[in-house]
Amino acid sequence: QKEVEQNSGPLSVPEGAIASLNCTYSDRGSQSFFWYRQYSGKSPELIMFIYSNGDKEDGRFTAQLNKASQYVSLLIRDSQPSDSATYLCAVKRNTDKLIFGTGTRLQVFP
Amino acid sequence: DTAVSQTPKYLVTQMGNDKSIKCEQNLGHDTMYWYKQDSKKFLKIMFSYNNKELIINETVPNRFSPKSPDKAHLNLHINSLELGDSAVYFCASSPTWAEGYNEQFFGPGTRLTVL
Repeated sequence: QKEVEQNSGPLSVPEGAIASLNCTYSDRGSQSFFWYRQYSGKSPELIMFIYSNGDKEDGRFTAQLNKASQYVSLLIRDSQPSDSATYLCAVKRNTDKLIFGTGTRLQVFP
Repeated sequence: DTAVSQTPKYLVTQMGNDKSIKCEQNLGHDTMYWYKQDSKKFLKIMFSYNNKELIINETVPNRFSPKSPDKAHLNLHINSLELGDSAVYFCASSPTWAEGYNEQFFGPGTRLTVL
């Protein structure tokens, strides 16, 4: 079992729709959870992080964490073509290394 | 005003050669990292330094040797390059190692192709 699992996609959504990206992790000791966005040929950039169970909203993005079920998700409201990218989920223990999933490719079509 | 910079951006070389990639950050961060991203986009940590001290050394062949002359620089030297070393190598930095939340800022990447 991979430490962090994501569906590789592509996930195709129409412009204006909600994109839902999911991630599961195996280590119950994980404490911090991150979503990075990576455009093709570019470096990853952090878009959201979450520690506590529940939802965290930032603009069009909402991160959701359920530690009991060991999953974290990212919702993108009003999806735009510029959101088309690979979204990387990453988890870490308190002072341990960041473990990345393989990413989900999102395509938003006009 | 580049925060994390890497050189070179592209590196094409023959099997068996030795090459180096350089990384510099001007963010004043204490911690720096090297990641390898393979053709399937899997991003995996290789090394981490905190204030010039090695704190993470993943299962990486001995042919890879990081060096941190000061906390703003982390270089990666690779000996006897193999075909499987072809990947994109990202340098990253973060403010500190100790905190639970620790945003990592990535450099632009170095695309290494071994022929």
